Amino acid sequence: KAGVTQTPRYLIKTRGQQVTLSCSPISGHRSVSWYQQTPGQGLQFLFEYFSETQRNKGNFPGRFSGRQFSNSRSEMNVSTLELGDSALYLCASGSTRGNQETQYFGPGTRLLVL
Amino acid sequence: SQQGEEDPQALSIQEGENATMNCSYKTSINNLQWYRQNSGRGLVHLILIRSNEREKHSGRLRVTLDTSKKSSSLLITASRAADTASYFCATDPNSGGYQKVTFGIGTKLQVIP
Repeated sequence: KAGVTQTPRYLIKTRGQQVTLSCSPISGHRSVSWYQQTPGQGLQFLFEYFSETQRNKGNFPGRFSGRQFSNSRSEMNVSTLELGDSALYLCASGSTRGNQETQYFGPGTRLLVL
Repeated sequence: SQQGEEDPQALSIQEGENATMNCSYKTSINNLQWYRQNSGRGLVHLILIRSNEREKHSGRLRVTLDTSKKSSSLLITASRAADTASYFCATDPNSGGYQKVTFGIGTKLQVIP
């Protein structure tokens, strides 16, 4: 099976712009989670989608949003970009909703906000 | 704050030595997982240990879990330069429903050839 894919891999934006990142989970996986990783904060959970529904949300402002399509592909959007949004954005897919689940991570999208 | 906290934050050892990393967490859990991340890449799942397990092995990896102390350790034996990476523990809280897996900040391991 192909792994989790994320596009684009690298992105440079300027403050105030908006950005959309895409994640395609492993075929058959219905859960997609998004994380922001920065050197100082480590991995911070953004949100999790399962069967097109947001099931969980981290402590991020409303500028961060996401959605999941019927084919389980997911997008996250960040509006009005700030310098502090520069980070590696990782998505992870899982086969089930619930506990005892291993997450499979994509390679990430590295976003730089200038 | 992070549910899981790894210790030490950075570790540098010679090839062939053993590397031990620790993880502490705050709430009761269903399971604890260890992941590895090479610089700037996605995380790779290493091992999952359930709350009713005390020790688990996978190749050169050995994971222990002490739920009374809310801590886990990851031991990499006979380390290799290719083991250089950041290692994260992730906890799946036991809160009566589905809750997100929470990651620590990670331990950065450097294995010197």
